Amino acid sequence: GAVVSQHPSRVICKSGTSVKIECRSLDFQATTMFWYRQFPKKSLMLMATSNEGSKATYEQGVEKDKFLINHASLTLSTLTVTSAHPEDSSFYICSAGLAGGLNEQFFGPGTRLTVL
Amino acid sequence: AQSVTQPDIHITVSEGASLELRCNYSYGATPYLFWYVQSPGQGLQLLLKYFSGDTLVQGIKGFEAEFKRSQSSFNLRKPSVHWSDAAEYFCAVGAQAAGNKLTFGGGTRVLVKP
Repeated sequence: GAVVSQHPSRVICKSGTSVKIECRSLDFQATTMFWYRQFPKKSLMLMATSNEGSKATYEQGVEKDKFLINHASLTLSTLTVTSAHPEDSSFYICSAGLAGGLNEQFFGPGTRLTVL
Repeated sequence: AQSVTQPDIHITVSEGASLELRCNYSYGATPYLFWYVQSPGQGLQLLLKYFSGDTLVQGIKGFEAEFKRSQSSFNLRKPSVHWSDAAEYFCAVGAQAAGNKLTFGGGTRVLVKP
């Protein structure tokens, strides 16, 4: 149980376009989802916390107009990278927490974004 | 604010030898502690977690970790390493008071020699 999927697993796009990444909890309801960014050979950096039905809370230094997060249901959160540039190329990972759960997060497999 | 330090960036160990990965945290209250493993290009898999109770925690794949409050540490151990244990390992700390957000250490890359 507690499986999280991400789609797509890899995406290549041209500079200036927007890319949407989906994060789904497959077998549980997730009131909270988290979005992380990971640079090569680096640790995970939390970008934002997404709560179902409300606006996402962004970490300091993360541009909310660039990284749009929507958490429309208890099983789906999306991250849209708007007007992507090469510096946005990264590995994006989402995680989901169980409703009423004790802080444990279940991670998706990640999405590799390459902006040309 | 919470923080996590993994002092070792790389560790090389021979197959069959024991492994210990260090993790030190900083947090004012009782933290929740986690160890995750990541294979190249993959997401994170939870190895084990500590919320409360017995300070020696058993996890999957033969791993265990010990919470030592006096040392603010949560070191990960495995008695006998297999080649498939080569991966990146992350220690993380979370707390309900912090909105259940996780803070990750910098990671330790484990290489296994035949």
